[in-house]
Amino acid sequence: EPEVTQTPSHQVTQMGQEVILRCVPISNHLYFYWYRQILGQKVEFLVSFYNNEISEKSEIFDDQFSVERPDGSNFTLKIRSTKLEDSAMYFCASSVWASSDEQFFGPGTRLTVL
Amino acid sequence: AQSVSQHNHHVILSEAASLELGCNYSYGGTVNLFWYVQYPGQHLQLLLKYFSGDPLVKGIKGFEAEFIKSKFSFNLRKPSVQWSDTAEYFCAVIGYGGSQGNLIFGKGTKLSVKP
Repeated sequence: EPEVTQTPSHQVTQMGQEVILRCVPISNHLYFYWYRQILGQKVEFLVSFYNNEISEKSEIFDDQFSVERPDGSNFTLKIRSTKLEDSAMYFCASSVWASSDEQFFGPGTRLTVL
Repeated sequence: AQSVSQHNHHVILSEAASLELGCNYSYGGTVNLFWYVQYPGQHLQLLLKYFSGDPLVKGIKGFEAEFIKSKFSFNLRKPSVQWSDTAEYFCAVIGYGGSQGNLIFGKGTKLSVKP
């Protein structure tokens, strides 16, 4: 069964450093998403992406965040200058369609900012 | 703004007990509703979803949920839980009105089933 994959599973970085989290969505899916979950808190939407551009973003997704689909398979989330409060589990998801469709989630990348 | 409330943070049951996890959402318009489950060490998986039609929806592994529009609720039920149902359960909603599919999640309910 096709699945969303994410690398790395755990990333440790120093405050102020740039990190890139990678995701490979399911191949025939058209919509891609990033969510994050700070320990003990809700899973929160960050951004959705369709047709090589951002469809929607939350207020969390400020200028230090960016997303890219550099090739036909990868979908990346970049955090330019990490802060302590960026420590969280980051989930990538994909769906065939938006809104009315099931989103398939990856296993997540645990980001720890020291 | 849309929000989702899950009433129970942690539920502990014995095997064969019945389960009901509460979920309420706040959004005045049309919604799509979901329950996701996260087993220990695994990623979020869809249990069931409601888009329209019969408000009682059946999902995988014997789970069902009932959409009650007047109460803005979408409670998850299972008549007899098993130890393997130990997991965290998340209710989520997508509200129509310009949303491109971003799920709004509740805080999650951790279910522990004692053998």
